[in-house]
Amino acid sequence: SSELTQDPDVSVVLGQTVRITCQGDSLRKFRASWYQLKPGQAPILVLYGKNVRPSGIPDRFSGSTSGNTGSLTITAAQAEDEADYFCSSRDGSGKELGLLGGGTRVSVL
Amino acid sequence: QVTLRESGPAPVKSTETLTLTCSVSGFSLNTDGMCVSWLRRTPGKALQWLAVIDYKDKKFYNPSLQTRLSIAKDASRSQVVLTLTDMDPIDAGTYFCARTMGYCAGGVWPPLDYWGQGIPVIVS
Repeated sequence: SSELTQDPDVSVVLGQTVRITCQGDSLRKFRASWYQLKPGQAPILVLYGKNVRPSGIPDRFSGSTSGNTGSLTITAAQAEDEADYFCSSRDGSGKELGLLGGGTRVSVL
Repeated sequence: QVTLRESGPAPVKSTETLTLTCSVSGFSLNTDGMCVSWLRRTPGKALQWLAVIDYKDKKFYNPSLQTRLSIAKDASRSQVVLTLTDMDPIDAGTYFCARTMGYCAGGVWPPLDYWGQGIPVIVS
């Protein structure tokens, strides 16, 4: 199906590792991109392609893909990583428009 | 330095037309491959892509809102304008503009590398 599914909420203890997943058939063909959204701030592209971090994104953010699931991993999560994360990808069913996931709220405890 | 900044009216009334402006700097809207999109985040927290305009003025719209949306650009003023007609309270949320380069018909792909901080839209 042409959709991307994310868990609504995940939590992580400060300094621990959290993995945010994005499921969809399109991810069998195309890699997910990941965005970080915080209230009142411009969303940030944190990862795209084959684990590529834009300039300024800390290396504690990494990505991987397995089957139909793309993952964004935050290693040694910091308080400032508390945010909503959205995945997106190209549609693997041949449609032109890309896909957006429903978003995951990451809470850092 | 690439920046995008959204601007628009204070509350808009139901059935009225919303007009939002995205003012960009640090790049030209006429640069080969340049695309500027509008997206929104509604109270249900979903992020939804709305429309895109490319450097040649080609436009693409979210099929579910196509009849209500219009996008245009004024490259001389470095602005992209979005209009959404017949506003309803369910259209309330935060509206963002963002840019990508290379292929505009994809909406959210290639990845959107720069975003504005968004503008809250209230529908009364």
